[in-house]
Amino acid sequence: DAMVIQNPRYQVTQFGKPVTLSCSQTLNHNVMYWYQQKSSQAPKLLFHYYDKDFNNEADTPDNFQSRRPNTSFCFLDIRSPGLGDAAMYLCATSRDRRATYEQYFGPGTRLTVT
Amino acid sequence: KQEVTQIPAALSVPEGENLVLNCSFTDSAIYNLQWFRQDPGKGLTSLLLIQSSQREQTSGRLNASLDKSSGRSTLYIAASQPGDSATYLCAPEGGSSYKLIFGSGTRLLVRP
Repeated sequence: DAMVIQNPRYQVTQFGKPVTLSCSQTLNHNVMYWYQQKSSQAPKLLFHYYDKDFNNEADTPDNFQSRRPNTSFCFLDIRSPGLGDAAMYLCATSRDRRATYEQYFGPGTRLTVT
Repeated sequence: KQEVTQIPAALSVPEGENLVLNCSFTDSAIYNLQWFRQDPGKGLTSLLLIQSSQREQTSGRLNASLDKSSGRSTLYIAASQPGDSATYLCAPEGGSSYKLIFGSGTRLLVRP
């Protein structure tokens, strides 16, 4: 019954060592989002895919990249993680970008940088 | 730039109380507003979506209202239960970016 799945749930990486987080969805939604949420803060949108069209937020660091090889999967790549990148990373989907559609979130991946 | 404020930041109530969580936003040109629940260390669960043309939405013991012109939304929880303990976030969506802008949330504790 799971709709938005994130793997792994917990990820530990070393400072500067590239890491990839995975998101998959069974909803066949057109839009997939990646958010970063630091402790006790609001989720912050990093970027989203509308179908194959990648939309980056202006203040997302270059260190963060994303790939969407097909409708079901989307990846978040952090090229050189710093201590400040430790956070919960949330993936979300919606049927379309129009306002009538809800966003559905996965359980998140908690990233620790040592 | 949209800014979202949620008051109070934390709330502790005894079981059975009715309570109201407040959300205010600075840009009233929104398309909709979503309320979410987040349990510790978990993702977000959508509770209610209010379109800009609507004034309120109800789901079970939850009722959310929206006053676009004044930039306010409230989430009313009736007959609160310990299982309602979580952080509640509001997120209006607006403008051309189709973006949700989140508040920092209200952390709710319902005491048995």
